[in-house]
Amino acid sequence: DTAVSQTPKYLVTQMGNDKSIKCEQNLGHDTMYWYKQDSKKFLKIMFSYNNKELIINETVPNRFSPKSPDKAHLNLHINSLELGDSAVYFCASRTTHWEGTGELFFGEGSRLTVL
Amino acid sequence: DQQVKQNSPSLSVQEGRISILNCDYTNSMFDYFLWYKKYPAEGPTFLISISSIKDKNEDGRFTVFLNKSAKHLSLHIVPSQPGDSAVYFCAASKNYGQNFVFGPGTRLSVLP
Repeated sequence: DTAVSQTPKYLVTQMGNDKSIKCEQNLGHDTMYWYKQDSKKFLKIMFSYNNKELIINETVPNRFSPKSPDKAHLNLHINSLELGDSAVYFCASRTTHWEGTGELFFGEGSRLTVL
Repeated sequence: DQQVKQNSPSLSVQEGRISILNCDYTNSMFDYFLWYKKYPAEGPTFLISISSIKDKNEDGRFTVFLNKSAKHLSLHIVPSQPGDSAVYFCAASKNYGQNFVFGPGTRLSVLP
C-alpha cells in the first residue's frame, strides 16, 4: 500500500487553465507538504499543513492554493497556469513529534507541463 | 542564495569501490541533516540522517560524516552497487521538526 500517493502523475494543459493535484498519506503523519522541483532540479518547499492549518507559504504566487479536507489529504490547486509553472510537484508528509528520524516521505511526483 | 550546496553535479564510480558524495551548508543554525536517494520518475526516498550531536552515523553500506566546524557532510557508500545509481540529495534543517532545505543533488553512476 502506497504511503504517500498523488494524482495525476502526468498533467499536460494549456496556459490559463486551472488544475488540481491530489495527495493522500496513510502514515498518520501530522504534517504534509508540497515541494516543487524546477528545471534546475532544486526541491523547493511551497506549503506545509499541520493539523489542517497552513503554517508556511514560501513566497508562492497566490495562484497556488493548498486545500486540506483532513490531515491525511493535501491537495494543490493552481489557477491561471503559466508556462513557468511547468515542473514536477512532490507531495510529502512527516511527523514532527519526537519519534523516528522525522524524515519526509515523498509521493512519486506529478509532472505538470503547461503549453 | 543556496544554503545547501552539492558542488558535484555528477559522480561515476566502479562497482565495488567507495562512493563519496559531499554536501556543504552555509547556515550555522542547521543541526539536523538527511540524505535522500531519487530514481527517475520516482519520489525521493530517505537514506540516512545525522544530528549535530554526532559526527558519524552508519546504516549498512551507508555512512554519513558531519564536520560542523567546516559546515560539511559526506555520504559514503561501500561497496557501491549498480542499483545505487541515482540522484542523491542532501537536506538540512535548523532543528528536529523544522522545514528542510535541499541541495541540488548529485547524480551517482555506478559502473559494472
